[in-house]
Amino acid sequence: AQKVTQAQTEISVVEKEDVTLDCVYETRDTTYYLFWYKQPPSGELVFLIRRNSFDEQNEISGRYSWNFQKSTSSFNFTITASQVVDSAVYFCALSEPNNNDMRFGAGTRLTVKP
Amino acid sequence: DTGVSQDPRHKITKRGQNVTFRCDPISEHNRLYWYRQTLGQGPEFLTYFQNEAQLEKSRLLSDRFSAERPKGSFSTLEIQRTEQGDSAMYLCASSPPLGGRSYEQYFGPGTRLTVT
Repeated sequence: AQKVTQAQTEISVVEKEDVTLDCVYETRDTTYYLFWYKQPPSGELVFLIRRNSFDEQNEISGRYSWNFQKSTSSFNFTITASQVVDSAVYFCALSEPNNNDMRFGAGTRLTVKP
Repeated sequence: DTGVSQDPRHKITKRGQNVTFRCDPISEHNRLYWYRQTLGQGPEFLTYFQNEAQLEKSRLLSDRFSAERPKGSFSTLEIQRTEQGDSAMYLCASSPPLGGRSYEQYFGPGTRLTVT
C-alpha cells in the first residue's frame, strides 16, 4: 500500500531564511513517481516537480531544490532565501504505474513572514 | 488560459439536494481525475477516466456519487441527496496520454461545496 507522510504540519520562517519540507513515503513497487505541489491561499494545486524512482539525481530550480533518497524513502523539498509569496500549503504525493490514484500527504503549511 | 477549469467555484446547498459539478480538462489530456479535499488534509482520490471510460473508482465514492465523461472531454460529478459530510473541495485534474509526462496531473481551481 502506498503512503505519504509529511510530519511537519506547520512551519513559520522569516523572509530570506532557508526552509526544508520533509516527505517520507511507503510503497511496495520498485517503480513509482514522487511529486510536490503548492497550494496557495487561492486553492489551486500547482505542480512543482515529478521525480521517477529510478532517477535519484537531485534537482534545483531557482530557489527550489529537491533531495530524493531511496535509502531513507524520503523526498525533501528546500526553499532557499524564502519569500512571502512562498507562503502556501505544500503537498508531497506518490503514484504507482499500476494505480491511477495519486496518494497525497497531509501537507505542510509554510508561512513566510516579512 | 488553457488550464483545467471547474464550474462552479463555490456551491452552497441544503442537505438532501442534488448537486452537479463540471470539469473541463486541458484539451489534449485524455485522462481525468476527481479528488476530494477536506480542511487540513491532502486531496483524496475519487475516480479516474481514460477518454470516456471510467476505469477506477475509490471506495470513497459512495452510491450517491456518480461521475461521467460522455464524450471523453469534459466531466461531471454528481452528488445525490447531499449530506453535511460531503462538504469539501472537489478537485479535478487531467494528465496527458501515456508518455514522458503522463504521470503529471494538473489540477483545476476546485469547487468548494458547503452543505447546510
